[in-house]
Amino acid sequence: NAGVTQTPKFRVLKTGQSMTLLCAQDMNHEYMYWYRQDPGMGLRLIHYSVGEGTTAKGEVPDGYNVSRLKKQNFLLGLESAAPSQTSVYFCASRFRGSTDTQYFGPGTRLTVL
Amino acid sequence: GDSVTQMEGPVTLSEEAFLTINCTYTATGYPSLFWYVQYPGEGLQLLLKATKADDKGSNKGFEATYRKETTSFHLEKGSVQVSDSAVYFCALSDPTGYSTLTFGKGTMLLVSP
Repeated sequence: NAGVTQTPKFRVLKTGQSMTLLCAQDMNHEYMYWYRQDPGMGLRLIHYSVGEGTTAKGEVPDGYNVSRLKKQNFLLGLESAAPSQTSVYFCASRFRGSTDTQYFGPGTRLTVL
Repeated sequence: GDSVTQMEGPVTLSEEAFLTINCTYTATGYPSLFWYVQYPGEGLQLLLKATKADDKGSNKGFEATYRKETTSFHLEKGSVQVSDSAVYFCALSDPTGYSTLTFGKGTMLLVSP
């Protein structure tokens, strides 16, 4: 099992450019999450999905869109990148059970100039 | 809303010293509580968890007890090693929703030989 993988690992964008971050999991998890990690802020939830074709907003959703067309993939899009979106992005997934652990990917470091 | 407060770091210790990282929480209902660890350049890994009051989670010599009366989940280890140097995150998961995680800001632990 590869677990949770994220593509790309690093990316530099200019303000206004767009990009998509890919998260893939091979554990057949129903739930998937996108977080951002900023210094001194911990991790904050951007969007999440409880199943194929469904998504919901988290704590900091503005400026991001997501899609879950396949159960194993969860895409995070930035339509017009801003310097405030410079961050490390983590994807996570888990089974539906209420006490189940979230498993995290290795992260994508994004810099917006 | 839910929130997690953990002690600010960095915490600097010598090898074999005793470790305590404080964590308190505010939540409605009965959340599950987690400690995640992030080693340099990596994603988050679950260290331990507790799902109900008075439960003790333990792993790799670390332990934490779910204290409902004090709304706390302090992390302890009797004898730290240099390899324990990392950032530690306390988190809670609301079992009544989709179990999204609310994280503390993280505490960096630095252990010197």
